[in-house]
Amino acid sequence: GAGVSQTPSNKVTEKGKYVELRCDPISGHTALYWYRQSLGQGPEFLIYFQGTGAADDSGLPNDRFFAVRPEGSVSTLKIQRTERGDSAMYLCASSLSNTDTQYFGPGTRLTVL
Amino acid sequence: AQSVTQLDSQVPVFEEAPVELRCNYSSSVSVYLFWYVQYPNQGLQLLLKYLSGSTLVESINGFEAEFNKSQTSFHLRKPSVHISDTAEYFCAVSDWGGADGLTFGKGTHLIIQP
Repeated sequence: GAGVSQTPSNKVTEKGKYVELRCDPISGHTALYWYRQSLGQGPEFLIYFQGTGAADDSGLPNDRFFAVRPEGSVSTLKIQRTERGDSAMYLCASSLSNTDTQYFGPGTRLTVL
Repeated sequence: AQSVTQLDSQVPVFEEAPVELRCNYSSSVSVYLFWYVQYPNQGLQLLLKYLSGSTLVESINGFEAEFNKSQTSFHLRKPSVHISDTAEYFCAVSDWGGADGLTFGKGTHLIIQP
């Protein structure tokens, strides 16, 4: 079956711009996670959704980052006033529930010039 | 709060030799443990996991890991590696409730030399 998909695969933007990154989870998965992976590091947790609500957003670095999942399926990670330090691979994962295995998408590589 | 330490950033190994990738964790609560693998230009894939029961868990491609609660370790081993095992390996932990996301180590790059 189809896995987790993320679009775009690459995004290049200029400092100060607004970007949206999209995640399509595996069908039927109620839990959805966003992570950020910088070069040479492991993924860092950003936010977790159970259904439509953000159950844990403690990993969001500041108020420029925001994520939504309005219908409990697709999620969008939104970054306002991007900074060069936001450049990283953004990963999405989904699972049947929050105690099940997380399946990762291929990621969106964000480059802020 | 949890943390994961992967002491080795790179491990070079000759083909058909055994390998061990080390992982230690710290947590104030009981945990689930995972190893994920990232092949070149591919996304993260689950290699194996420990949830409960037998402390020795195995993957379909010959890797195994043993949960050692007293040493807070979950080292990954393979008795004989192949060129195709070249990849980045990440150890990760989550609490039993699963409410948090995974906490990952920094990764270990396994380099197989012919």
